[in-house]
Amino acid sequence: GEDVEQSLFLSVREGDSSVINCTYTDSSSTYLYWYKQEPGAGLQLLTYIFSNMDMKQDQRLTVLLNKKDKHLSLRIADTQTGDSAIYFCAETPGGADGLTFGKGTHLIIQP
Amino acid sequence: DAGVIQSPRHEVTEMGQEVTLRCKPISGHNSLFWYRQTMMRGLELLIYFNNNVPIDDSGMPEDRFSAKMPNASFSTLKIQPSEPRDSAVYFCASQPRPGLASNEQFFGPGTRLTVL
Repeated sequence: GEDVEQSLFLSVREGDSSVINCTYTDSSSTYLYWYKQEPGAGLQLLTYIFSNMDMKQDQRLTVLLNKKDKHLSLRIADTQTGDSAIYFCAETPGGADGLTFGKGTHLIIQP
Repeated sequence: DAGVIQSPRHEVTEMGQEVTLRCKPISGHNSLFWYRQTMMRGLELLIYFNNNVPIDDSGMPEDRFSAKMPNASFSTLKIQPSEPRDSAVYFCASQPRPGLASNEQFFGPGTRLTVL
């Protein structure tokens, strides 16, 4: 199966919270990442969390990590139209240099 | 810094032609990655280099694909001969150095390849 799994689409109303979920397989991943891809652009690092943390908050973003279940989530509070993008979860398998990305979740904002 | 630079931004070619994609990583970064993105397969790692040396090319789909990094400031991804199923967006990314805590990769804007 896939190393990193995400649902492909999430639709939310403007002003609501968005929660994007991800499951990964490699328990030795030191860091887990969320990247954002806006239309026509490359990926940009949004935030990351060290594997010994449960939660990380950065302004409107909250990352939750459940290491036992290998589950990572990204919560965006007060979702705005500018948050419309593809969000990728990524892990560092076996502490390797490269990242393994999920297929990405398309976040669609409804007015 | 201009960030990771890729050229061309768009490439349209005919089946059977050779295609060369180019990448200039961020100065001082030691690792360089080539990815391919399609709707069906998502983002796939093709190959990566540390200090200009190819480390893992297991993601390269077949012998028609080859990548080189002759020096720290330049890399190419070549497809010869190209096929319609190679149509995708190809991204190059660079990373400061292996083992750095955050492992952040910096992506270029991508090359959109269309093979007719």
